[in-house]
Amino acid sequence: GDSVTQMEGPVTLSEEAFLTINCTYTATGYPSLFWYVQYPGEGLQLLLKATKADDKGSNKGFEATYRKETTSFHLEKGSVQVSDSAVYFCALSGPGTSYGKLTFGQGTILTVHP
Amino acid sequence: EAQVTQNPRYLITVTGKKLTVTCSQNMNHEYMSWYRQDPGLGLRQIYYSMNVEVTDKGDVPEGYKVSRKEKRNFPLILESPSPNQTSLYFCASQQGSGGNQPQHFGDGTRLSIL
Repeated sequence: GDSVTQMEGPVTLSEEAFLTINCTYTATGYPSLFWYVQYPGEGLQLLLKATKADDKGSNKGFEATYRKETTSFHLEKGSVQVSDSAVYFCALSGPGTSYGKLTFGQGTILTVHP
Repeated sequence: EAQVTQNPRYLITVTGKKLTVTCSQNMNHEYMSWYRQDPGLGLRQIYYSMNVEVTDKGDVPEGYKVSRKEKRNFPLILESPSPNQTSLYFCASQQGSGGNQPQHFGDGTRLSIL
């Protein structure tokens, strides 16, 4: 079945540092890929998405590129802020999934210090 | 404002006492889903609904029931809660059922079953 693996956390960075959170997936065909962010006490919000190979999703300074050859969708940001502290989830929706089911990774806790 | 509303946000109860978590969305979305979030496991789908009176099991449906009598509401029912259902629960909705559509999440319900 479909699966998503995220890098182990938590991740702790200083403000303005470069961020990478690795995400790899297993799925048949060409799934849609998502990054969701969860701020403390809140639900998940869509951060960015990519629906086909080589697509780059971007939002709020975050980027991720859909790499079919390496089955990866790593999240990057060039300069993190304290306000980026949150839990980040990589997720996929498989092409054979007609009902929009999301398969999530385990989440990565990011803490950014001033 | 487009939103998914869950109630209650927090609940502490005892084993065997039936409870219902309500979920309502104001976006006229066809697709709704329930997830549970547990540390190290990410989010796992419990049940989903593609439209009124159409529901089906997700990955972890045991011990839960749902109903979809109206398009906007999708309650989660625990007929006889047990401690292993202590978790953080999220309701989500989506326009259509295609795999490339983002899901909108509620703020979560934290259940503690003693």
